[in-house]
Amino acid sequence: GQSLEQPSEVTAVEGAIVQINCTYQTSGFYGLSWYQQHDGGAPTFLSYNALDGLEETGRFSSFLSRSDSYGYLLLQELQMKDSASYFCAVTKGGKLIFGQGTELSVKP
Amino acid sequence: DSGVTQTPKHLITATGQRVTLRCSPRSGDLSVYWYQQSLDQGLQFLIQYYNGEERAKGNILERFSAQQFPDLHSELNLSPLELGDSALYFCASSTGGGSYNEQFFGPGTRLTVL
Repeated sequence: GQSLEQPSEVTAVEGAIVQINCTYQTSGFYGLSWYQQHDGGAPTFLSYNALDGLEETGRFSSFLSRSDSYGYLLLQELQMKDSASYFCAVTKGGKLIFGQGTELSVKP
Repeated sequence: DSGVTQTPKHLITATGQRVTLRCSPRSGDLSVYWYQQSLDQGLQFLIQYYNGEERAKGNILERFSAQQFPDLHSELNLSPLELGDSALYFCASSTGGGSYNEQFFGPGTRLTVL
């Protein structure tokens, strides 16, 4: 089958750096995406890795290692507004297969 | 605002009933995707349409059906409803239909089945 595993919760303080890991058991996918969702609102796209390595977009970076079946999202200079759920997802056949999500709480 | 619109925002109905959820994709996007998000199942892909044709199918129940119209808007029909169908239903759209395309999500429809 296909599954993606993420920690259910992560807590960090404002200004810090946090890494959210995603391990997966699937093959034949095009890439690994990350989406952010605030309180049941619309998920919004953050980052995408088609190839192994690091992709940087402002305060957010994402990494993929296909050989290790592993990826992560790195958030730097955390702000209170970063408190949200973060989902990793693989793109396969045009559809997104999501992990269960990680709830990030940023404390002052 | 992603440019994807969904109606209605909230829906409260009873078991056995039928509901229709509507989605209008971003201007120019040909693909529409439907997702279900419930507390215990996370975000589950249901179905994808590309330019009016079904492109990919996920965990969509036989009680559910969907279609994409010539103007590219899409509707998801659920009938007969069961208590377990209570969830957030998201529609997303993208420009293309395959490989990787960034998906833009609508605000969702919150369905409560009593």
